[in-house]
Amino acid sequence: AQKVTQAQTEISVVEKEDVTLDCVYETRDTTYYLFWYKQPPSGELVFLIRRNSFDEQNEISGRYSWNFQKSTSSFNFTITASQVVDSAVYFCALSGGYTNAGKSTFGDGTTLTVKP
Amino acid sequence: EAEVAQSPRYKITEKSQAVAFWCDPISGHATLYWYRQILGQGPELLVQFQDESVVDDSQLPKDRFSAERLKGVDSTLKIQPAELGDSAMYLCASSLQGDTENEQFFGPGTRLTVL
Repeated sequence: AQKVTQAQTEISVVEKEDVTLDCVYETRDTTYYLFWYKQPPSGELVFLIRRNSFDEQNEISGRYSWNFQKSTSSFNFTITASQVVDSAVYFCALSGGYTNAGKSTFGDGTTLTVKP
Repeated sequence: EAEVAQSPRYKITEKSQAVAFWCDPISGHATLYWYRQILGQGPELLVQFQDESVVDDSQLPKDRFSAERLKGVDSTLKIQPAELGDSAMYLCASSLQGDTENEQFFGPGTRLTVL
């Protein structure tokens, strides 16, 4: 079985602060993908970023960056210079390989509130 | 921009009644997913279709839930009879293929309230 843990239930920051969302996962697969999705108040989940298990290179895309560390099974997501529009629930997801037949497992989400 | 369509957006029903939700995935997406999201939790996969075939329904309560995707395009999820514990958001998603690497595109969801 695979599991995703987002220990931070809620985070509140002031606009322009940087914020990091934590994600820890468990899987027996050697090949897997990790995702971050955003769920704004409207309810529709939106794909943000993806990382495969063989690529630990950290990247930056605009105000988003992510830190994937296979040794600690963590896939943390950082928003730089946060904005009010970033307020949403953020979900980390794991898509398994052979043993999980590609099934996606989501964490329980972190609610981010960005105050003006 | 192509979107996943779902209807209705909101549904209120009494327990023991039957309810049905509809989903139309993005054109060309072979894989369709139904998730249940309880308030404060992440989406939980109920059923996954590859074209018209079910590839995973291990978490679907088959005594009361059913899902079909007859022509491999749109899909219907049914609950009969509804129970109080079924109150949740029901999300539909689609992806190009059911491969591990493909991101999923989600619809707006149907919020079900069972009284």
